[in-house]
This record gives sequence, C-alpha cells and structure tokens, in this order.
Amino acid sequence: GDSVTQMEGPVTLSEEAFLTINCTYTATGYPSLFWYVQYPGEGLQLLLKATKADDKGSNKGFEATYRKETTSFHLEKGSVQVSDSAVYFCALSDDFGNEKLTFGTGTRLTIIP
Amino acid sequence: DTGVSQNPRHKITKRGQNVTFRCDPISEHNRLYWYRQTLGQGPEFLTYFQNEAQLEKSRLLSDRFSAERPKGSFSTLEIQRTEQGDSAMYLCASSSLGTSGTTKYEQYFGPGTRLTVT
Repeated sequence: GDSVTQMEGPVTLSEEAFLTINCTYTATGYPSLFWYVQYPGEGLQLLLKATKADDKGSNKGFEATYRKETTSFHLEKGSVQVSDSAVYFCALSDDFGNEKLTFGTGTRLTIIP
Repeated sequence: DTGVSQNPRHKITKRGQNVTFRCDPISEHNRLYWYRQTLGQGPEFLTYFQNEAQLEKSRLLSDRFSAERPKGSFSTLEIQRTEQGDSAMYLCASSSLGTSGTTKYEQYFGPGTRLTVT
C-alpha cells in the first residue's frame, strides 16, 4: 500500500538557518503530495502541495518539488524564524479520486532565537 | 466560513463504555473524513463520506466503530465497548468536490477530539 517516510526528528535550528526536511513516498499511480503543518495548540493546516511530477509547491517561504524519479518531496526554507516552530507532516493522496491522505510520522521543528 | 468544528474536545471514559464524537464540516463541503492520530504518529485514515454516503472504510475501523452522516452535513463517530488502545486524537476533515468533478485537493481539519480510555 501507499506509504510516506519522513526524516526523523526532532530538529532544532537557530533562527535564519536553512531548513530541509526529507520526505520520500511509495505509491501506485501518480499521487498528489502535500506538506501539512501543526502549530502548537492548533489543528493541521495545509502548507503546500504539488499534484504532478516536477511541480513546485510554495507558501510562506517554504518550497517542495515533486520528484518522481527519486519519489521524494523534500521541504525547504532558506531562513527559518521562531514562528516556524511546529510539527510538519508529509502526506500523499492517491489518484483514485477518494483523496484520503496517507501521512508520514511528522517532524517536530524547534527554532531557537 | 467558521471552519471545521469537533465536539467534545476532550473525552475521558472507562474501558467498556460507549462514546460518540461529532464533527461539523465547513458548510458547503460535501466530503468529510475521519482520521485517528496516536502520540508521535501521523494521522491514519479511518473513513470518508461524500454527502451522506460512506464510500470507504479503513481496515483500522473495527466492528466497534461506526460513523454516520445522516443528512450530508454533520457526522458522528461512535466507538462501542472502548478499549485502552482506542486512546487517541480523532480528527475530522472536510473538502469540496467541485461541480466539474475536480477537487480543490485541500482538506480542512478540525481541532480534534482527544479520547482517553482508563
């Protein structure tokens, strides 16, 4: 079945550091890929998405590129801020129209001032 | 747009009791999903509805679990004879299937109901 493997956390960085959180997936067909974020005390929010190979999703300075050849969707940000501290989940939905999401285990990110 | 709401936010129950959770999706959304999240894990899909029809159930959803969406609006998730392994955060999400058959690919999540079975 479909699965998502995320870089294990927690990850601690200093403010303005470069961020990469790795995500690889296994799926049949051509899934859509997502990054969701969960800020402390809040619900899951969609951060960015890509629906086909070579698409780049971007939002709030975060980017991720759908790489079919490496089955990856790594999350990057050039300069992190304290407000980026949260748990980040990589997820996919299959192409069979039901859109149920398969999530990775999540990566907790803490940014130190 | 008031977002997805879930009630109660917290529920503590004794093993063997029945519990029911409610989810109110965003009003114009015709798809509704239930997920379960345990500590340190990502959410796992349980079931989903399109309008009032329950279209898919995960193998995680044992016979003790039942979900309904009687009028295509709010949904309930009931767990009968709760077990300690049912302790988790239960998340509801909704999305909109466009009239052309395309979707917006975004599921909006509620804050969750945290269940503790003692």
